[in-house]
Amino acid sequence: GAGVSQTPSNKVTEKGKYVELRCDPISGHTALYWYRQSLGQGPEFLIYFQGTGAADDSGLPNDRFFAVRPEGSVSTLKIQRTERGDSAVYLCASSPMGGALAEQFFGPGTRLTVL
Amino acid sequence: TQLLEQSPQFLSIQEGENLTVYCNSSSVFSSLQWYRQEPGEGPVLLVTVVTGGEVKKLKRLTFQFGDARKDSSLHITAAQPGDTGLYLCAGAGGAQKLVFGQGTRLTINP
Repeated sequence: GAGVSQTPSNKVTEKGKYVELRCDPISGHTALYWYRQSLGQGPEFLIYFQGTGAADDSGLPNDRFFAVRPEGSVSTLKIQRTERGDSAVYLCASSPMGGALAEQFFGPGTRLTVL
Repeated sequence: TQLLEQSPQFLSIQEGENLTVYCNSSSVFSSLQWYRQEPGEGPVLLVTVVTGGEVKKLKRLTFQFGDARKDSSLHITAAQPGDTGLYLCAGAGGAQKLVFGQGTRLTINP
C-alpha cells in the first residue's frame, strides 16, 4: 500500500509569507506526527495528533506555527509570517496507534526554504 | 530536557571494516529506537530496544541498550557500501513523542 506522502516536496517562499504543508498519512493510521529537521540535525518533534485532536503540541516553536487534522486523516502544517530560520525539512509520520513504542512511518518531507 | 548525543557525527571507513556508533544521554529512556535515513527520504525504523542490557541483531547490525537505559550502541560488522546513510537514535521522550539524536553520517567506501 501507499506510504506517507507529503506535498509539496519543495517550497520556496519569501520572508513574511504564509505557507501550508500537507501530509497524507497511511490509511487507517490514527496517530500523526510533525517533525522539523534542520541541516545536519536529527528530527525535532513539533506536534502529535491522535485522531482529530492535537494530543501534544509542546514542540511548536511559537504561535506562528499551527497544525490541523480536521477529519482525522490528512493534516496541514501552517506557518505564518515565515522567517529565514524556519528553513528546514518538515517531516510527517503516521502510526497505527499512538505511543512511543509504536513504529512511526515517515514521509519524504517537504523542504522549506525562506528567502 | 532530554537530550541524546551521538558519536561520532561523521564516519568514513572502507568496505569490510567494523564500526560502532554511540548514543548517550544523562536521562533514562523507557525505550530507544534506531533509524536510518537516506537523502531525500524520511527515517526508517531499524530496531526498538526496551529492556536494559537488551541486545538485538539484524543481520550484520547489532544493537545494545545500556543497563541503565541511558545509552545505546549500534555495531556494524563487515560494512558494505549499501550501509551508507544517516543513522539516528531516538528515545521515548514521554508517552507519545520521540527525542532524536543529531545523527551519525556513515560513508562506506568501496
